[in-house]
Amino acid sequence: GAVVSQHPSRVICKSGTSVKIECRSLDFQATTMFWYRQFPKQSLMLMATSNEGSKATYEQGVEKDKFLINHASLTLSTLTVTSAHPEDSSFYICSASESGPSYEQYFGPGTRLTVT
Amino acid sequence: AQSVTQLDSQVPVFEEAPVELRCNYSSSVSVYLFWYVQYPNQGLQLLLKYLSGSTLVKGINGFEAEFNKSQTSFHLRKPSVHISDTAEYFCAVTGRDNDMRFGAGTRLTVKP
Repeated sequence: GAVVSQHPSRVICKSGTSVKIECRSLDFQATTMFWYRQFPKQSLMLMATSNEGSKATYEQGVEKDKFLINHASLTLSTLTVTSAHPEDSSFYICSASESGPSYEQYFGPGTRLTVT
Repeated sequence: AQSVTQLDSQVPVFEEAPVELRCNYSSSVSVYLFWYVQYPNQGLQLLLKYLSGSTLVKGINGFEAEFNKSQTSFHLRKPSVHISDTAEYFCAVTGRDNDMRFGAGTRLTVKP
């Protein structure tokens, strides 16, 4: 149980274009979803937290107009990187948590974004 | 806010030897602690977690960790490692706000 999927697993896009990454909870309802960014050989940095039906809460320094997050249902959240630049190339990982005090997040397999 | 420090960025060890990966946390409130493993180009896999109860927590793949409140530590241990344990290990802490913070990671390399 508690499986989270991400699509696509890898994406290459040209500078200036936008790319959408999907995060789905497959066998549970995710009241909260999280988006992280990971640079090579570094830890995960939280970008934003989203609750279903609400606007996402962004961490300090994360541009909300560049990284658009939508959490339209209890099983789906999307991250859209708008007007991507090479410096946006990174590994993006989402996670999801259920309602209630489990305090555990279930992580997706990650999406490798390369902007050329 | 809570934070986590992983004291060793790299830990090389020979196969079948014991290993300890160190993690210290700081928080002014109740904490919930986790260890995750990450293989190259993959997401995070939960090894074990401490939410409450017994301070010795057993996880998957033969790993265990001990929550030590007085020393604010949650070190990960395995009595005998395998080549397949080579990976990046992350300690994480969260509180009642579910705001999870990760340590910088420890690269465990198991040599034959």
